[in-house]
Amino acid sequence: TQLLEQSPQFLSIQEGENLTVYCNSSSVFSSLQWYRQEPGEGPVLLVTVVTGGEVKKLKRLTFQFGDARKDSSLHITAAQPGDTGLYLCALRGAGGTSYGKLTFGQGTILTVHP
Amino acid sequence: DADVTQTPRNRITKTGKRIMLECSQTKGHDRMYWYRQDPGLGLRLIYYSFDVKDINKGEISDGYSVSRQAQAKFSLSLESAIPNQTALYFCATSSGGYTEAFFGQGTRLTVV
Repeated sequence: TQLLEQSPQFLSIQEGENLTVYCNSSSVFSSLQWYRQEPGEGPVLLVTVVTGGEVKKLKRLTFQFGDARKDSSLHITAAQPGDTGLYLCALRGAGGTSYGKLTFGQGTILTVHP
Repeated sequence: DADVTQTPRNRITKTGKRIMLECSQTKGHDRMYWYRQDPGLGLRLIYYSFDVKDINKGEISDGYSVSRQAQAKFSLSLESAIPNQTALYFCATSSGGYTEAFFGQGTRLTVV
């Protein structure tokens, strides 16, 4: 079973600070997705990373995929209160008994104080 | 209208009762998933289905069963509910490859 570990589990920061959330897998994965969930809603996709070493930017959010395809990070620059939410990484199984499965990490609860 | 609709949104039931959570989608996707979310534990996969004739167990399938009645409908049943099944349940759909998963708004289930 491919496991995903996210850290930190909780993050409480002031507006304007930078932060990084990490996602690590027990083995190589073919693709990884980052989702954001707000209270009372289902998760919504932020980005999909596929290629080792890939970097994607979405406004103040920067996503990196490790060269070895076993880890990923989400960096937020100058956090704003609107960034508050639960951030989840997820991987999609590529083959064998994991084919097609979409497995999530335990999430990082981010709170940005004004 | 939402692309992925879950019913009911909230439900309180008693221990030992049978309960069904329903999910329907208008995305035309083949793949459907049921997840459970507990505080601090992210989303855990209960069952998933790639088409009407394909049902697969996820990480935590014990105590749950599913039915894929049509491409657009995927229901989750608790045959005999127990208090530790109190949680937020999400249905999701996707097409193949590395595509986005679309989630319903969740069903908050309380077993007393």
